[in-house]
Amino acid sequence: NAGVTQTPKFQVLKTGQSMTLQCAQDMNHEYMSWYRQDPGMGLRLIHYSVGAGITDQGEVPNGYNVSRSTTEDFPLRLLSAAPSQTSVYFCASSYRYSGNTIYFGEGSWLTVV
Amino acid sequence: AQSVSQHNHHVILSEAASLELGCNYSYGGTVNLFWYVQYPGQHLQLLLKYFSGDPLVKGIKGFEAEFIKSKFSFNLRKPSVQWSDTAEYFCAVNSLRGADGLTFGKGTHLIIQP
Repeated sequence: NAGVTQTPKFQVLKTGQSMTLQCAQDMNHEYMSWYRQDPGMGLRLIHYSVGAGITDQGEVPNGYNVSRSTTEDFPLRLLSAAPSQTSVYFCASSYRYSGNTIYFGEGSWLTVV
Repeated sequence: AQSVSQHNHHVILSEAASLELGCNYSYGGTVNLFWYVQYPGQHLQLLLKYFSGDPLVKGIKGFEAEFIKSKFSFNLRKPSVQWSDTAEYFCAVNSLRGADGLTFGKGTHLIIQP
């Protein structure tokens, strides 16, 4: 059971480049979400999805897009990378969006230069 | 909107000392409460959670937390810490509806000195 898998683990981008962070879970979880972690800020929610075909914005959605075409996958797209998007990104999932433990992936370290 | 406040950003203790990390939340409705731990260079791991029932919750590695509804608090405790407890600790809440994800506190960096 792989749990929540994120790729890549490390990435360096130039300002203005685009990229996609991949997230996959094999637990048949309905709820998936993306967080970013910055020093002294804790984790902040970027986007989330309560099921295939349904996505919504979290606390810090600007500069990011998501889609949920399947239950298993929830990719996060950076449209035009900026240095302010240098962060550690965590994907998370749970069976339902409430009353269940939320499981986190191992993180993706992104640096924008 | 809900918010989470962790009282101490940095805590330094000696081994065998007792630990209490404060967490207060602000939300008008019923919430689920969590404590996560992040060891250096690793992802978040669930320490314990409270959904309902007994307000004293026991988690892994000897940690426990007490939910005090009247104080909107969910403090984390451990009677005797070890060097291996050095990590970042995050308190988090989500509403009973839960679709808007977890709201995290800013974290407490705990350092245990041998």
